[in-house]
Amino acid sequence: GAGVSQTPSNKVTEKGKYVELRCDPISGHTALYWYRQSLGQGPEFLIYFQGTGAADDSGLPNDRFFAVRPEGSVSTLKIQRTERGDSAVYLCASSLSPSGAAEQFFGPGTRLTVL
Amino acid sequence: KQEVTQIPAALSVPEGENLVLNCSFTDSAIYNLQWFRQDPGKGLTSLLLIQSSQREQTSGRLNASLDKSSGRSTLYIAASQPGDSATYLCAVRRGSQGNLIFGKGTKLSVKP
Repeated sequence: GAGVSQTPSNKVTEKGKYVELRCDPISGHTALYWYRQSLGQGPEFLIYFQGTGAADDSGLPNDRFFAVRPEGSVSTLKIQRTERGDSAVYLCASSLSPSGAAEQFFGPGTRLTVL
Repeated sequence: KQEVTQIPAALSVPEGENLVLNCSFTDSAIYNLQWFRQDPGKGLTSLLLIQSSQREQTSGRLNASLDKSSGRSTLYIAASQPGDSATYLCAVRRGSQGNLIFGKGTKLSVKP
């Protein structure tokens, strides 16, 4: 079956612009996670959804970052007034349930470059 | 605050060699530990998931062990192949729900 998909695969934008990154989780997966990976680093947690609600948004770096999951499936990560430091690969993962026993399956990521 | 460390940062071995990748974590109160593989420009592929009550998991040529009390996990790769070349990431889960905390990874290169 289809895995986690993310669009676009690459996004180049200018400093100060607004961007939206999309994640399509595996069908039926109720938990969805966003991570950010900078060059040479491991992924860092941003936000986690259980269904439609954000269960934990403690990883969002500041209020320029926001994410939604209105119907409990597709999620959009929104970044306002982008800065060069926002350049990174944004990874989305989903799992069948939020249970700790459930594996997280990752998408290919969106590479964001802020010029 | 949980911190995950992976040593070495990079490793180069000749084909056929057995090798061990190390992962350590500062807080032993983890729910589980997961090993991932990441190819250049790609997402993460889950290799093995070890629950906190388990000591090891095996999949093919891969064996992962977990010693929760000492805060360590190892990933053993037998008879390495050039196709094993990738970055290997270790991640721990803090509680029964929620996010993973990752190490920086070990970049493995297997030379033919």
